[in-house]
Amino acid sequence: DTAVSQTPKYLVTQMGNDKSIKCEQNLGHDTMYWYKQDSKKFLKIMFSYNNKELIINETVPNRFSPKSPDKAHLNLHINSLELGDSAVYFCASSLNSNQPQHFGDGTRLSIL
Amino acid sequence: QQQVKQSPQSLIVQKGGISIINCAYENTAFDYFPWYQQFPGKGPALLIAIRPDVSEKKEGRFTISFNKSAKQFSLHIMDSQPGDSATYFCAAGYPGTYKYIFGTGTRLKVLA
Repeated sequence: DTAVSQTPKYLVTQMGNDKSIKCEQNLGHDTMYWYKQDSKKFLKIMFSYNNKELIINETVPNRFSPKSPDKAHLNLHINSLELGDSAVYFCASSLNSNQPQHFGDGTRLSIL
Repeated sequence: QQQVKQSPQSLIVQKGGISIINCAYENTAFDYFPWYQQFPGKGPALLIAIRPDVSEKKEGRFTISFNKSAKQFSLHIMDSQPGDSATYFCAAGYPGTYKYIFGTGTRLKVLA
C-alpha cells in the first residue's frame, strides 16, 4: 500500500564509505525527487528525474549520483561519505510539474 | 529571490484555539503554494495547496489565505487538537518546473 517507499530507513556508516539508498513509488507518477533535510529540519531539493531523465540537479557534490532505472525507481548513491552528509534523505514523486509531491518516510543517514 | 520566509519558528496553542502560520515570498513567478505537515520520523505529507488565482481555500479545519499583492500566504488551523502537533512547512513552486522552495518550518505544539 505504501505509495513512496525508501530503504533503508536507517543507515549508520563510517566516513569514507560508499552507500546507496533506494526509492520506489507505486503511484504511476512520472517525476521523482531526492531531498535532504538537515538537523534544523530545512528541506532542500537535490535532484529530480522526469521519465528517467535528469531535470533538476542542484548544487550537490558529485559524490552524490542519482540513478533511475525506470519511472518507478530513483536510487541515490553516495561515494566517500563525509560527516556533513549526515541528514535525513527523502524521496518524493509527483504526477508532473507543479503537482503535489508525495514523500517517503525518509532515510536517516548517520556518519561516524 | 528564491526564498520563502516562514514564521513563527515555533508555536504553542491551547486545544480548541486557532493556529496561524505565515509565509512570505519574493518571486512573483511562483504559482503553486502547498502546505505540508510532518510528524517525527515521517515524511512531509501534503495538507492543502492553493494557486494565486484564489484568495482562500478551506479543507475541514485547515484554511489557506493568500494575499497576492502582499506576496504572503498563511495557514489557519481552526479548533486545534493535540494530534495537530507537528512541524508545518509552506512551499512555493515555479510554473512548469518541478522545483519547490520550502519554508524553514514551524513546530506546532497543541496543549491538551
